[in-house]
Amino acid sequence: QSALTQAASVSGSPGQSITISCTGTSSDVGAYDHVSWYQQDPGKAPKLVIYEVTQRPSGVSHRFSGTKSGNTASLTISGLQAEDEADYYCCSYARSGIWVFGGGTKLTVL
Amino acid sequence: EVQLVESGGGLVQWGGSLRLSCAASGFTFSNHAMNWVRQAPGKGLEWLAYINAAGTAISYADFVRGRFTMSRENAKNSLFLQMNSLRDEDTALYYCARDQDWASDFWGQGTMVTVSS
Repeated sequence: QSALTQAASVSGSPGQSITISCTGTSSDVGAYDHVSWYQQDPGKAPKLVIYEVTQRPSGVSHRFSGTKSGNTASLTISGLQAEDEADYYCCSYARSGIWVFGGGTKLTVL
Repeated sequence: EVQLVESGGGLVQWGGSLRLSCAASGFTFSNHAMNWVRQAPGKGLEWLAYINAAGTAISYADFVRGRFTMSRENAKNSLFLQMNSLRDEDTALYYCARDQDWASDFWGQGTMVTVSS
């Protein structure tokens, strides 16, 4: 199972919106709505920010939103803040209890 | 408060074995599936294995199937990962994570495994 494809880096200024894409195949992202997104600060464990493509866990800012179209899922962060600077990973269910992560995207807030 | 605490990591020689443990607290462990995920130094997250709540269904990433064995002991709120035939590329921080709604909603802080050749 190949890793999902994410851009290595993305940047934005405070207050702007950015979108991180996650491209898979018709066997993973395109086949299931079990896509999640994780935020990871340096030296910390990942934190769930989106699950089931669009759902936001309790306590996660409403500035985080998720969508999916075909084989590509996307995470949008609106009203960018300095604290959003982190690595972001997508993850998708693939088949028969198999999961696959994206390679990760480093978000820089300028 | 949900807590997951991994242990058992360390330095091991190429070809050797290690058994990782994950102690769960603050939730009903037997109601949740669990995952193991690893992260090599400076690299991204890699999903390794999944076990359902009862421990009756287990799945593995292709690159660890046959070498790693995941198990759980619900009576002791514990999760395990037996790792055999360790290779250089298995050097990583190993996380256990709770599964909820098809996502990993809580993660431990990880235990480091270093394979020395």
